[in-house]
Amino acid sequence: DAGVTQSPTHLIKTRGQQVTLRCSPKSGHDTVSWYQQALGQGPQFIFQYYEEEERQRGNFPDRFSGHQFPNYSSELNVNALLLGDSALYLCASSLLGAPIYAGGLADTQYFGPGTRLTVL
Amino acid sequence: DAKTTQPTSMDCAEGRAANLPCNHSTISGNEYVYWYRQIHSQGPQYIIHGLKNNETNEMASLIITEDRKSSTLILPHATLRDTAVYYCIVGYGNKLVFGAGTILRVKS
Repeated sequence: DAGVTQSPTHLIKTRGQQVTLRCSPKSGHDTVSWYQQALGQGPQFIFQYYEEEERQRGNFPDRFSGHQFPNYSSELNVNALLLGDSALYLCASSLLGAPIYAGGLADTQYFGPGTRLTVL
Repeated sequence: DAKTTQPTSMDCAEGRAANLPCNHSTISGNEYVYWYRQIHSQGPQYIIHGLKNNETNEMASLIITEDRKSSTLILPHATLRDTAVYYCIVGYGNKLVFGAGTILRVKS
C-alpha cells in the first residue's frame, strides 16, 4: 500500500521564478491538502483539493495556486518566488469525511515526506 | 479552530512511559483531538485521535478528560526513535492548525 509521495525531494530556485511541486495521495484517498513549514515552525495550511476543486484555503496569497487531477494527484504552483517562500512543502491526503463547518466524522490526514524548496 | 497549549519540551528515560499533556479549553462541539509527531525533516506522522472516549492503538494511548478541556498522549515504552516534536491539534481534521508542539527527548 503506497503512502503519500512527493516530488522533487529538493529544489533550488531564484527570486521571481515559478515552481511546481507534485503529490500523489495514499491509495484510496481522494483529498489532498498542502502545507508550508518554515524552519523551526509548525506546518501552515495552504489549501485543500477535492473533486478537482479548491475546497478551502488558508491565509496565503494568490501566488500560491494548485490543481487536482482526475487520478487525485495534485500540484502546488508558486509564482514570483520570494526569499520567504523557502520552506518544506508538505502534502497530506485523506478520504473526504466531515463537512467543513459542521461537526461529524473525523478526517485523518496522512503526510508525505515533503519537498524542500530553497529560494536564492 | 480551537487553540491548544503544550509544554515546549520534555525529557523521558528510554523504556519509561512518556506522558505528553495538552490543554484545549476552548474545544467545542464535535471537534476531535489529534496527535501527530514530526521527526527531524520528515513529514508529520499521524499517531492517534479521539472525540470523548479514551483511545488506544499500536503506537499510543490518548486520555481525554471528561470535560474535554485537556488530554494526554501516552507512549507506553519510549524508545530513542520516539524523539520528535509532538503536535496536539483540535478540529475536524480537514484543516490541521499546528502550534509549536512539544519537543520530546528520549534519553538512554
